[in-house]
Amino acid sequence: DAGVTQSPTHLIKTRGQQVTLRCSPKSGHDTVSWYQQALGQGPQFIFQYYEEEERQRGNFPDRFSGHQFPNYSSELNVNALLLGDSALYLCASSGGETQYFGPGTRLLVL
Amino acid sequence: AQTVTQSQPEMSVQEAETVTLSCTYDTSESDYYLFWYKQPPSRQMILVIRQEAYKQQNATENRFSVNFQKAAKSFSLKISDSQLGDAAMYFCAYVYNFNKFYFGSGTKLNVKP
Repeated sequence: DAGVTQSPTHLIKTRGQQVTLRCSPKSGHDTVSWYQQALGQGPQFIFQYYEEEERQRGNFPDRFSGHQFPNYSSELNVNALLLGDSALYLCASSGGETQYFGPGTRLLVL
Repeated sequence: AQTVTQSQPEMSVQEAETVTLSCTYDTSESDYYLFWYKQPPSRQMILVIRQEAYKQQNATENRFSVNFQKAAKSFSLKISDSQLGDAAMYFCAYVYNFNKFYFGSGTKLNVKP
């Protein structure tokens, strides 16, 4: 049984560009959450998707958007990238109160 | 507002010894969940242990146990018989009603051989 998978593992972009990160949840999980983790800090909640709708959102600008597909996989899109968007982006899936994390995508914005 | 505080940025322990990592949180809810996650240098966040607030008994998972003090809003993690593979960042997290997780800032644990 595969756990949570994310792609790509690393990504380099320049300021102003757009990026799409992908996540496949653990089998049997229907909820996907996205987090941003800056170096040396704890993860910060971006948003959560359930039944293809955004259920909860953290304190992130509208440049951050997402989508959940019928198979429960999810995408995180970030527009107009800023240098400060450089971070590890974590996806977590859940079927209840416990979240299981993927390995993350390391985004570097130059 | 829910907050999670880890006041120890970094700790060290000798191999085979016991170490306790501290976590406090703030909430007005009575039924919630608390977690400890481990993030090794390879960066994958791994669930270590979880505690349901309505259960008074402290959770244990092999060498890992918690001291849950609901009234004090304290949730510490005890690692017994520390091993080199325990070296990692440890994050305390809180969740209520399946909503977003609130994470602490983490404690870096060093294990000395």
